[in-house]
Amino acid sequence: SQTIHQWPATLVQPVGSPLSLECTVEGTSNPNLYWYRQAAGRGLQLLFYSVGIGQISSEVPQNLSASRPQDRQFILSSKKLLLSDSGFYLCAWTGGLLVRANYGYTFGSGTRLTVV
Amino acid sequence: KQEVTQIPAALSVPEGENLVLNCSFTDSAIYNLQWFRQDPGKGLTSLLLIQSSQREQTSGRLNASLDKSSGRSTLYIAASQPGDSATYLCARGGGTSYGKLTFGQGTILTVHP
Repeated sequence: SQTIHQWPATLVQPVGSPLSLECTVEGTSNPNLYWYRQAAGRGLQLLFYSVGIGQISSEVPQNLSASRPQDRQFILSSKKLLLSDSGFYLCAWTGGLLVRANYGYTFGSGTRLTVV
Repeated sequence: KQEVTQIPAALSVPEGENLVLNCSFTDSAIYNLQWFRQDPGKGLTSLLLIQSSQREQTSGRLNASLDKSSGRSTLYIAASQPGDSATYLCARGGGTSYGKLTFGQGTILTVHP
């Protein structure tokens, strides 16, 4: 069965420090991968998605970047964190059109980031 | 622009009641509709997935319906329990190769004993 791992679970970082959040998927190959952010009192916002190694698309301009160095690894980064980067970050995966139609999306357990 | 709206924003019911959560979307060219549950501070747990060719899906006490023509989906919870208390999110799935999910703001459900 497929599983998705996301870490760390919580993170408190000072303003201006770097960030690296990691997400890995097991039990599947060539997944579509996504980073979402859920800010306090707001809905889920898609930040980045990737349909293959090295292929990253950004949905919104921001202080963050993403990379996909391996098929089942997705990394969210920042060189210098801002207060506004605080939030709950969720990684998700799905398959291609046929797999997605049958199984939908699976989310990780999330990372609570507080920038102080 | 694709939008997803959930009504009500919050709902408080006594244990045992049957309840309905509503989700509406603006683009009828939907690929699928997925309902999630989110407990405080936790990730999203998938509850039900309805493909565009389907009209409903059932899992235990949960039943979700999809009406593409009216742009609506409903999540029906039978015989609610305190353990059902959570935020319920619906999300519209896109049919492009990257399959973007567009989420509603969620319904906060509280079931009190």
